[in-house]
Amino acid sequence: AQSVSQHNHHVILSEAASLELGCNYSYGGTVNLFWYVQYPGQHLQLLLKYFSGDPLVKGIKGFEAEFIKSKFSFNLRKPSVQWSDTAEYFCAVNGDGGATNKLIFGTGTLLAVQP
Amino acid sequence: GAGVSQSPSNKVTEKGKDVELRCDPISGHTALYWYRQSLGQGLEFLIYFQGNSAPDKSGLPSDRFSAERTGGSVSTLTIQRTQQEDSAVYLCASSLRDRVDFGSTFGSGTRLTVV
Repeated sequence: AQSVSQHNHHVILSEAASLELGCNYSYGGTVNLFWYVQYPGQHLQLLLKYFSGDPLVKGIKGFEAEFIKSKFSFNLRKPSVQWSDTAEYFCAVNGDGGATNKLIFGTGTLLAVQP
Repeated sequence: GAGVSQSPSNKVTEKGKDVELRCDPISGHTALYWYRQSLGQGLEFLIYFQGNSAPDKSGLPSDRFSAERTGGSVSTLTIQRTQQEDSAVYLCASSLRDRVDFGSTFGSGTRLTVV
Protein backbone atom coordinates (compact mmCIF):
# COMPACT_ATOMS: atom_id res chain seq x y z
CA ALA A 1 0.00 0.00 0.00
CA GLN A 2 1.08 3.53 -0.64
CA SER A 3 2.27 5.56 2.30
CA VAL A 4 3.73 8.99 2.93
CA SER A 5 6.21 9.79 5.67
CA GLN A 6 6.84 13.23 7.07
CA HIS A 7 9.75 12.89 9.44
CA ASN A 8 9.48 16.26 11.15
CA HIS A 9 6.35 16.46 13.26
CA HIS A 10 7.08 19.81 14.82
CA VAL A 11 9.58 22.42 13.59
CA ILE A 12 10.40 25.71 15.27
CA LEU A 13 12.37 28.34 13.36
CA SER A 14 13.24 31.98 13.71
CA GLU A 15 12.26 34.42 11.00
CA ALA A 16 14.67 34.49 8.03
CA ALA A 17 15.85 30.94 8.72
CA SER A 18 15.79 28.46 5.87
CA LEU A 19 13.21 25.69 5.85
CA GLU A 20 13.27 22.16 4.57
CA LEU A 21 10.48 19.72 5.40
CA GLY A 22 11.02 16.12 4.50
CA CYS A 23 8.54 13.95 2.62
CA ASN A 24 9.10 10.40 1.45
CA TYR A 25 6.60 8.14 -0.22
CA SER A 26 6.42 4.48 -0.98
CA TYR A 27 5.19 3.79 -4.47
CA GLY A 28 7.27 2.56 -7.35
CA GLY A 29 5.14 3.77 -10.19
CA THR A 30 4.28 7.15 -11.64
CA VAL A 31 3.19 9.58 -8.98
CA ASN A 32 1.64 12.98 -8.58
CA LEU A 33 2.91 14.83 -5.51
CA PHE A 34 1.43 17.67 -3.53
CA TRP A 35 2.07 19.92 -0.60
CA TYR A 36 -0.92 21.37 1.21
CA VAL A 37 -0.84 24.00 3.94
CA GLN A 38 -3.30 24.71 6.71
CA TYR A 39 -2.93 28.10 8.38
CA PRO A 40 -4.37 28.49 11.89
CA GLY A 41 -8.14 28.54 11.73
CA GLN A 42 -8.23 28.11 7.97
CA HIS A 43 -8.91 25.25 5.59
CA LEU A 44 -6.36 23.22 3.69
CA GLN A 45 -4.89 24.97 0.67
CA LEU A 46 -2.79 23.67 -2.17
CA LEU A 47 0.76 25.00 -1.92
CA LEU A 48 2.29 23.30 -4.94
CA LYS A 49 2.09 20.15 -7.00
CA TYR A 50 4.19 18.01 -9.27
CA PHE A 51 2.93 15.64 -11.93
CA SER A 52 5.45 15.84 -14.77
CA GLY A 53 8.29 17.87 -16.23
CA ASP A 54 10.79 19.88 -14.25
CA PRO A 55 11.30 18.12 -10.91
CA LEU A 56 11.84 21.46 -9.19
CA VAL A 57 8.41 22.90 -8.60
CA LYS A 58 7.74 26.44 -7.47
CA GLY A 59 4.61 27.23 -5.54
CA ILE A 60 2.99 30.17 -3.85
CA LYS A 61 4.62 32.39 -1.23
CA GLY A 62 8.17 31.50 -2.22
CA PHE A 63 7.90 27.79 -1.50
CA GLU A 64 9.45 25.18 -3.74
CA ALA A 65 9.80 21.42 -3.72
CA GLU A 66 12.09 19.01 -5.51
CA PHE A 67 11.01 15.62 -6.73
CA ILE A 68 13.89 13.15 -6.47
CA LYS A 69 12.64 9.91 -7.94
CA SER A 70 15.64 7.84 -6.86
CA LYS A 71 15.06 8.85 -3.25
CA PHE A 72 11.24 8.70 -3.37
CA SER A 73 11.31 12.19 -1.91
CA PHE A 74 9.49 15.48 -2.40
CA ASN A 75 10.95 17.84 0.18
CA LEU A 76 9.51 21.30 0.68
CA ARG A 77 11.88 24.26 0.93
CA LYS A 78 11.83 27.98 1.51
CA PRO A 79 15.02 30.03 1.74
CA SER A 80 13.74 32.52 4.32
CA VAL A 81 10.63 31.91 6.41
CA GLN A 82 8.32 34.54 7.78
CA TRP A 83 6.12 34.57 10.87
CA SER A 84 3.12 34.26 8.56
CA ASP A 85 4.39 30.84 7.41
CA THR A 86 3.34 29.39 10.77
CA ALA A 87 1.01 26.57 9.76
CA GLU A 88 0.68 22.84 9.39
CA TYR A 89 2.11 21.37 6.18
CA PHE A 90 0.93 18.13 4.61
CA CYS A 91 2.63 16.14 1.89
CA ALA A 92 0.38 13.96 -0.29
CA VAL A 93 0.84 11.47 -3.07
CA ASN A 94 -1.43 10.13 -5.73
CA GLY A 95 -0.21 6.95 -7.35
CA ASP A 96 -0.62 5.55 -10.83
CA GLY A 97 -0.01 8.94 -12.40
CA GLY A 98 -3.50 10.09 -11.61
CA ALA A 99 -5.32 6.91 -12.58
CA THR A 100 -6.60 6.76 -9.05
CA ASN A 101 -8.16 9.77 -7.46
CA LYS A 102 -7.16 9.06 -3.89
CA LEU A 103 -4.68 11.28 -2.18
CA ILE A 104 -2.57 9.61 0.49
CA PHE A 105 -1.48 12.17 3.06
CA GLY A 106 1.37 12.27 5.52
CA THR A 107 0.75 13.01 9.19
CA GLY A 108 1.71 16.64 8.76
CA THR A 109 4.44 18.93 10.06
CA LEU A 110 3.57 21.77 12.38
CA LEU A 111 5.82 24.76 11.67
CA ALA A 112 6.10 27.56 14.20
CA VAL A 113 8.06 30.63 13.11
CA GLN A 114 9.17 32.89 15.91
CA PRO A 115 9.44 36.63 15.20
CA GLY B 1 -20.63 29.65 -3.39
CA ALA B 2 -17.01 30.72 -3.53
CA GLY B 3 -15.68 27.74 -1.63
CA VAL B 4 -16.53 24.30 -0.35
CA SER B 5 -19.10 24.63 2.42
CA GLN B 6 -19.49 22.10 5.20
CA SER B 7 -22.08 21.90 7.94
CA PRO B 8 -22.25 21.73 10.82
CA SER B 9 -18.83 23.08 11.72
CA ASN B 10 -18.98 21.29 15.05
CA LYS B 11 -21.06 18.34 16.18
CA VAL B 12 -21.15 16.67 19.56
CA THR B 13 -23.12 13.46 19.71
CA GLU B 14 -23.68 10.63 22.12
CA LYS B 15 -22.19 7.23 21.44
CA GLY B 16 -24.63 5.08 19.49
CA LYS B 17 -26.44 7.95 17.80
CA ASP B 18 -26.41 8.53 14.02
CA VAL B 19 -24.97 11.71 12.50
CA GLU B 20 -25.16 13.35 9.10
CA LEU B 21 -22.46 15.66 7.78
CA ARG B 22 -23.10 17.84 4.77
CA CYS B 23 -20.82 19.08 2.02
CA ASP B 24 -21.70 21.66 -0.61
CA PRO B 25 -18.93 21.67 -3.25
CA ILE B 26 -17.88 24.50 -5.50
CA SER B 27 -20.39 24.96 -8.27
CA GLY B 28 -19.28 23.10 -11.39
CA HIS B 29 -16.82 20.84 -9.62
CA THR B 30 -17.53 17.32 -10.75
CA ALA B 31 -15.34 15.45 -8.28
CA LEU B 32 -16.04 15.32 -4.54
CA TYR B 33 -13.96 13.69 -1.81
CA TRP B 34 -14.41 12.97 1.88
CA TYR B 35 -11.39 12.69 4.17
CA ARG B 36 -11.04 12.22 7.91
CA GLN B 37 -8.37 13.86 10.06
CA SER B 38 -7.86 12.29 13.45
CA LEU B 39 -5.72 13.76 16.19
CA GLY B 40 -2.04 13.19 15.47
CA GLN B 41 -2.72 11.51 12.16
CA GLY B 42 -2.77 12.59 8.56
CA LEU B 43 -5.79 12.86 6.37
CA GLU B 44 -7.42 9.53 5.67
CA PHE B 45 -9.29 9.05 2.39
CA LEU B 46 -12.88 7.90 2.87
CA ILE B 47 -14.84 8.12 -0.38
CA TYR B 48 -14.73 9.74 -3.83
CA PHE B 49 -17.56 10.74 -6.16
CA GLN B 50 -17.10 11.59 -9.84
CA GLY B 51 -20.10 12.58 -11.88
CA ASN B 52 -22.52 9.72 -12.39
CA SER B 53 -19.90 7.03 -11.91
CA ALA B 54 -20.10 4.59 -9.04
CA PRO B 55 -18.31 6.10 -6.04
CA ASP B 56 -14.97 4.78 -4.81
CA LYS B 57 -15.86 3.66 -1.29
CA SER B 58 -12.63 1.85 -0.60
CA GLY B 59 -11.63 4.14 2.26
CA LEU B 60 -14.76 3.81 4.36
CA PRO B 61 -13.62 2.25 7.66
CA SER B 62 -16.74 0.20 8.35
CA ASP B 63 -20.29 -0.42 7.16
CA ARG B 64 -21.48 2.16 9.67
CA PHE B 65 -20.19 4.79 7.25
CA SER B 66 -22.04 5.70 4.08
CA ALA B 67 -22.22 8.67 1.76
CA GLU B 68 -24.35 9.86 -1.05
CA ARG B 69 -24.24 12.68 -3.53
CA THR B 70 -27.54 13.94 -4.86
CA GLY B 71 -27.81 15.55 -8.28
CA GLY B 72 -24.07 15.63 -8.67
CA SER B 73 -23.77 18.41 -6.12
CA VAL B 74 -24.39 18.23 -2.36
CA SER B 75 -23.04 15.22 -0.51
CA THR B 76 -24.00 13.76 2.85
CA LEU B 77 -21.74 11.54 4.93
CA THR B 78 -23.70 9.43 7.40
CA ILE B 79 -22.21 7.64 10.38
CA GLN B 80 -24.53 5.19 12.09
CA ARG B 81 -24.20 4.07 15.71
CA THR B 82 -21.29 6.42 16.33
CA GLN B 83 -18.33 5.25 18.39
CA GLN B 84 -15.75 7.29 20.26
CA GLU B 85 -13.09 6.39 17.70
CA ASP B 86 -15.18 8.19 15.08
CA SER B 87 -14.25 11.50 16.72
CA ALA B 88 -12.28 13.45 14.12
CA VAL B 89 -12.47 16.33 11.71
CA TYR B 90 -14.28 15.29 8.56
CA LEU B 91 -13.11 17.20 5.50
CA CYS B 92 -14.77 17.50 2.15
CA ALA B 93 -12.96 18.55 -1.01
CA SER B 94 -13.97 19.11 -4.59
CA SER B 95 -12.07 19.51 -7.83
CA LEU B 96 -12.90 20.77 -11.27
CA ARG B 97 -11.78 17.77 -13.20
CA ASP B 98 -11.81 14.06 -12.61
CA ARG B 99 -8.07 14.02 -12.07
CA VAL B 100 -6.73 14.80 -8.65
CA ASP B 101 -3.56 16.32 -10.09
CA PHE B 102 -5.51 19.47 -10.75
CA GLY B 103 -5.62 19.93 -6.99
CA SER B 104 -8.61 19.91 -4.71
CA THR B 105 -10.28 22.71 -2.78
CA PHE B 106 -11.04 21.77 0.79
CA GLY B 107 -13.82 22.88 3.08
CA SER B 108 -13.25 23.93 6.68
CA GLY B 109 -14.42 20.60 7.97
CA THR B 110 -16.86 19.27 10.54
CA ARG B 111 -15.37 18.53 13.94
CA LEU B 112 -17.21 15.50 15.29
CA THR B 113 -16.95 14.61 18.94
CA VAL B 114 -18.55 11.41 20.17
CA VAL B 115 -19.07 11.36 23.94
